[in-house]
Amino acid sequence: AQSVTQLDSHVSVSEGTPVLLRCNYSSSYSPSLFWYVQHPNKGLQLLLKYTSAATLVKGINGFEAEFKKSETSFHLTKPSAHMSDAAEYFCVVSDDYKLSFGAGTTVTVRA
Amino acid sequence: NAGVTQTPKFQVLKTGQSMTLQCAQDMNHEYMSWYRQDPGMGLRLIHYSVGAGITDQGEVPNGYNVSRSTTEDFPLRLLSAAPSQTSVYFCASSYRWGNSGANVLTFGAGSRLTVL
Repeated sequence: AQSVTQLDSHVSVSEGTPVLLRCNYSSSYSPSLFWYVQHPNKGLQLLLKYTSAATLVKGINGFEAEFKKSETSFHLTKPSAHMSDAAEYFCVVSDDYKLSFGAGTTVTVRA
Repeated sequence: NAGVTQTPKFQVLKTGQSMTLQCAQDMNHEYMSWYRQDPGMGLRLIHYSVGAGITDQGEVPNGYNVSRSTTEDFPLRLLSAAPSQTSVYFCASSYRWGNSGANVLTFGAGSRLTVL
C-alpha cells in the first residue's frame, strides 16, 4: 500500500523569501512522485514529477523537488516566493494504476 | 483542444436522488479517473479506467457507478445521493499508465455537488 504525508497543512511566507513544502511517502515499489498545485476554484495543475531519473527535479514556475529514498521524502522548494504562488499544493505518490494524494498544504504569501 | 470537460459545474440534489456527472476528453487518453476532494483530505480516487470497457474501483467506490463505453467519455453515476457525497468531484485523464513515466494527469475544472 502507498501513502503520502504532507507535514504542514499551512505555510505562510513573505514575498521574495524561500518556500519549503514537506512531503514524506511510503510505497512498496519504486514509486512515481508528483507535486500538483491548485489555485482557488480551479482544477489541479502538474508542477513536477519524479520517475526514477534524476533525483533533483525541476518544474514550472521556479519550483523544484528532491527525491531522497533514504528519508522517503520528496520536499518541494522555491527560492523566492511570488504572490501568484498562493495556492494549495498536493504531493502525490503512485506505484500502480492508483494515485494517493496528500492532504494538501495551503501556501499564503504576504506582501 | 478542450482537454477534460466536466458537466455540470454545480449541482444540488436531494437525498435519494440519482444523477450523472459527465466527463469527456478529446486527447485520446487511455486512462481516466474520478476523484472527490474534501477539506483536509486531499483527493481520493473513486473509480478509474485503463481503456474502453475496463473499469476498476479506487479508494472510495461505494455509492458510485461508472462505465467506459468509449475512449472519450467516463460518466460517474450517483445511484442514491447521500449528504456524505457532498463534495467537489474531479475527472482526470492520462495518455497511458505504466512505468514509462507518462503518468501525468490532466484534470477537469471540477463539479461541485451538494446533497441536502
